[in-house]
Amino acid sequence: AQRVTQPEKLLSVFKGAPVELKCNYSYSGSPELFWYVQYSRQRLQLLLRHISRESIKGFTADLNKGETSFHLKKPFAQEEDSAMYYCALSGCDYKLSFGAGTTVTVRA
Amino acid sequence: EPEVTQTPSHQVTQMGQEVILRCVPISNHLYFYWYRQILGQKVEFLVSFYNNEISEKSEIFDDQFSVERPDGSNFTLKIRSTKLEDSAMYFCASSDPPPGQGFAETQYFGPGTRLLVL
Repeated sequence: AQRVTQPEKLLSVFKGAPVELKCNYSYSGSPELFWYVQYSRQRLQLLLRHISRESIKGFTADLNKGETSFHLKKPFAQEEDSAMYYCALSGCDYKLSFGAGTTVTVRA
Repeated sequence: EPEVTQTPSHQVTQMGQEVILRCVPISNHLYFYWYRQILGQKVEFLVSFYNNEISEKSEIFDDQFSVERPDGSNFTLKIRSTKLEDSAMYFCASSDPPPGQGFAETQYFGPGTRLLVL
């Protein structure tokens, strides 16, 4: 079975402060991990995936297989980062298993 | 940039009625998916579809549900006899090319159809 846990439902930070969204997973094989973002009134869209090792909009995420984590980080949050963030896992069957999501609010 | 589209954006129906949710995946994509999100809950996988057949389905996807690719562009989800608990946001997604390359391709999501069963 595959499971994704995002322990924080809500996260509020000030503009310019660092932000970290936690994601832990459970999967017996080698998973693919993703972060999807949903801005207000917009569709789910891919933010980044661990295999590409990119930094998108200043966000990074490192897959830690020992801790089974894929935390999302940004050193300096911006107001436009306010959104719902979902961590997701894909196993050998390619379906996505999502975490419950974290709502991030960046205050001025 | 091509996008997945879904119609209608909202659907209200009476319990026991049939509904068909429509999706137009990105044109060169070959794998299609339906997910749903009940209000306040996580996004859940329903079904994946490739080469005109279901590849994978979840426990949620029981006999009340069916999917179809009636032509070269549309991908539909039918709920035969809706129940109150089917009220949710339904998302269609597509990916390119078919999996089997050793890693999952990015899934692109539609804007969703909000279904309300009364």
